Amino acid sequence: DIVMTQGVLPNPVPSGESASITCRSSKSLVYKDGKTYLNWFLQRPGQSPQLLTYWMSTRASGVSDRFSGSGSGTYFTLKISRVRAEDAGVYYCQQVREYPLTFGSGTKLEIK
Amino acid sequence: EVKLVEYGGGLVQPGASLRLSCEASGFTFSDFYMEWIRQAPGKGLEWIAASRNKANDYSTVYSASVKDRFTISRDTYKSILYLQMNTLKPEDTAIYYCAYNNFDYWGQGVMVTVSS
Repeated sequence: DIVMTQGVLPNPVPSGESASITCRSSKSLVYKDGKTYLNWFLQRPGQSPQLLTYWMSTRASGVSDRFSGSGSGTYFTLKISRVRAEDAGVYYCQQVREYPLTFGSGTKLEIK
Repeated sequence: EVKLVEYGGGLVQPGASLRLSCEASGFTFSDFYMEWIRQAPGKGLEWIAASRNKANDYSTVYSASVKDRFTISRDTYKSILYLQMNTLKPEDTAIYYCAYNNFDYWGQGVMVTVSS
């Protein structure tokens, strides 16, 4: 199984600053079609997860351009620019390169 | 409007069975992979099962933690996704979510508690 390892944020992050969340996979997530099968989610307290980006860097519909995904085949970053109170929650990366699909353990973002 | 509504959760004893349902609307159910994901209290997300689409014969995949105990299936006429859970264990206690379209859409989740 592909293991997903997420980094920790130095919380709390001041409102208006940027925050970068890291994620590493134990195997390359680049498929033969050239796409990188990595999703990012935000789960706010008491809510279902929300897809932020897919294919590593493509924003999901309706997601603010303050969220940007980047990376290589095994190392990924989600950058949140000008963080706002509504960005608080737990962020998860997920590989969808192959089954069984696996999530990172989550990175909590608190806003000051 | 796309909607996914899970139901069927509750409190059961270890060793019992339970069937969860996820009623889907607003999209062509047979065209999409459907997934079950769970989240134990205070813990992270765990993918547990998938039902591929009609083009892939609705074939199924499971995580090691539920394989041979849980069964994912669908009623294509009613657009309902099921998760039959047998031989439940306390560690199966979690909120169970259904999702589709590369996890772009999620239900609200349903709580399953396994305790004596």
